[in-house]
Amino acid sequence: AQSVTQLGSHVSVSEGALVLLRCNYSSSVPPYLFWYVQYPNQGLQLLLKYTSAATLVKGINGFEAEFKKSETSFHLTKPSAHMRDAAEYFCAVTSNFGNEKLTFGTGTRLTIIP
Amino acid sequence: GAVVSQHPSWVICKSGTSVKIECRSLDFQATTMFWYRQFPKQSLMLMATSNEGSKATYEQGVEKDKFLINHASLTLSTLTVTSAHPEDSSFYICSRLGGVVNEQFFGPGTRLTVL
Repeated sequence: AQSVTQLGSHVSVSEGALVLLRCNYSSSVPPYLFWYVQYPNQGLQLLLKYTSAATLVKGINGFEAEFKKSETSFHLTKPSAHMRDAAEYFCAVTSNFGNEKLTFGTGTRLTIIP
Repeated sequence: GAVVSQHPSWVICKSGTSVKIECRSLDFQATTMFWYRQFPKQSLMLMATSNEGSKATYEQGVEKDKFLINHASLTLSTLTVTSAHPEDSSFYICSRLGGVVNEQFFGPGTRLTVL
């Protein structure tokens, strides 16, 4: 079984400050990991994904995440927050075996302080 | 651009009526699609896996007679909420597989409000 834990259901940062959203996973097989962003009343948009290639993954909108196997983590970062980054962020895990579901974390709401 | 569409984007209905939500794969023939439910300020909960040409696979605790899923073509899956009640009010999101193994592309969601 796989699971994802997102520490911090709410994170607030000042505009221009570093964004750090935490995600820890549990998986008995090599994981594939995803970060999605959800704006109000919209579906999920893929930010970035880890699929066992490079451990540092760059995504859209200036976000990146680093896969650390030793820490079972896949934290999402952005050097400088922008007002448009305010949204809900979900970390998700699956495996590289076919027909596996995505398991989502509980989400982190990011608020940007002007 | 979007690869999965949903219709309608929002719907309001009276208690006891049935509501159909469509999910279309716009660029890819999808033998497998997924239906999720999301309550306010919560994560996505997988309801069922929709399989083209066969019965959907429902997650534990999801009433298959209440949430009817039809995947009659490779580009369309429908979710019908039968005899809807206020507690069925939620945000329903569909997705299809694509990209790397088990990666999913999501639709924009449908907001259902049952009065």
